[in-house]
Amino acid sequence: AQKVTQAQTEISVVEKEDVTLDCVYETRDTTYYLFWYKQPPSGELVFLIRRNSFDEQNEISGRYSWNFQKSTSSFNFTITASQVVDSAVYFCALRSTADRGSTLGRLYFGRGTQLTVWP
Amino acid sequence: DTEVTQTPKHLVMGMTNKKSLKCEQHMGHRAMYWYKQKAKKPPELMFVYSYEKLSINESVPSRFSPECPNSSLLNLHLHALQPEDSALYLCASSPPMGLASNEQFFGPGTRLTVL
Repeated sequence: AQKVTQAQTEISVVEKEDVTLDCVYETRDTTYYLFWYKQPPSGELVFLIRRNSFDEQNEISGRYSWNFQKSTSSFNFTITASQVVDSAVYFCALRSTADRGSTLGRLYFGRGTQLTVWP
Repeated sequence: DTEVTQTPKHLVMGMTNKKSLKCEQHMGHRAMYWYKQKAKKPPELMFVYSYEKLSINESVPSRFSPECPNSSLLNLHLHALQPEDSALYLCASSPPMGLASNEQFFGPGTRLTVL
């Protein structure tokens, strides 16, 4: 079974603060992919990153960074020097190669974290 | 062109109406998806089309009828909906099926209100 847990329902920060969004996943498969999506108030889900289970290197893209740790089944997302435009709901998601649903197209989403950045 | 478009952006309909939601992509993707999203919840998968064939139907009521007329278009026909069907309907596409690595690209959604 595939499962993604985002324990933080809502986070509020003031601009320029750093913020980390937690994602913990469960899968018995050895090959899987993790994703982060951003959903601003307009509604569209914007793809941010994909990480495969064999690549534990951390990734940095501008103010965004991701920390993947297989030992703790976590794929956390940090925004450095947050800005008001970062306010959105952020979803972590999982697909595995051994899961039939995944190969047919199913993405297993966490319930999302609402991030509010105040000016 | 790296976007998925959806029309209309907003739709209000009565319970006896028939309407359709449209989705289009020109990225050459061969997998297309319909999701339903209620407020403060993650998207719920409804249907998946792979190479224009239905590959997943998540036990969606028959008042929702998907159609994939070609590789670029995906429709969702609505008939006799209930107020609880009010939600954001998202369309997505991804490269050819069978690869769990493929990320899905989402459209902006249609906000549906059923009166």
